[in-house]
Amino acid sequence: DAGVIQSPRHEVTEMGQEVTLRCKPISGHNSLFWYRQTMMRGLELLIYFNNNVPIDDSGMPEDRFSAKMPNASFSTLKIQPSEPRDSAVYFCASSRTGYEQYFGPGTRLTVT
Amino acid sequence: AQSVAQPEDQVNVAEGNPLTVKCTYSVSGNPYLFWYVQYPNRGLQFLLKYITGDNLVKGSYGFEAEFNKSQTSFHLKKPSALVSDSALYFCAVTGGSYIPTFGRGTSLIVHP
Repeated sequence: DAGVIQSPRHEVTEMGQEVTLRCKPISGHNSLFWYRQTMMRGLELLIYFNNNVPIDDSGMPEDRFSAKMPNASFSTLKIQPSEPRDSAVYFCASSRTGYEQYFGPGTRLTVT
Repeated sequence: AQSVAQPEDQVNVAEGNPLTVKCTYSVSGNPYLFWYVQYPNRGLQFLLKYITGDNLVKGSYGFEAEFNKSQTSFHLKKPSALVSDSALYFCAVTGGSYIPTFGRGTSLIVHP
C-alpha cells in the first residue's frame, strides 16, 4: 500500500496568492482529516470528511480556507488569499475504522 | 468535551534504560486512546491503541501502553530505549466519535 499521498511536499508562495494542497487517502479508507501543525499551536484539526461528506469543519480558521472531497480518492485544501500566518505544515490523514489514523508526509507551506 | 494532557514537554533517557511518556485524558463515556510517533519532517505514525480489553496494550517497535481507568492515564512505555526512538510522541483520545483530540506532544530524547 502506498500510504497517504500529499502534494506538493513544499510550497512557497507570496501573500495574497491562492494555494491548493492535495491528498490521496489510502484506498478503502472512508474517513479523511486535514490538520495543520505549527510550533505555537501544535496539531490542529481543520476538517473531517466521512464518505466524502464534510462532517466537522469547525477547525477551519476562516473563510479563506476551503476543502473539498469530490470522490473517495482525492481531497483538496485551498487557501485564498494566503497570508504569512498560514505558514505551517499541513497534514492529511485517512482512516478505515474511523479510529486510528494514517498520516501523509505533509506539505510544508511558506507564505512570504 | 474531551482533552488530553501530556505533562512533559521533553523526556530524556539513556539508551538501554526503560522509558515512560505520560498521558492523562478526560472524556465522556468510554475512552478510545492512541499513541502516535512523529519523526523529523514526517507525518504522525500510529503506534498503538486501546479500545477495550486488556489494560496493557502492545504496539509497534516494542512500545506498550497501560490504560488506568481510575487515574485516567494511558502512559507509553518501553523496557529498553534505543537512540532511534528519539522523536515526538502524541497521545490522542476520543469518546467514541471519529474526531480525536491530540495532546501537545512530548519530545523523547534517548542519549547514547
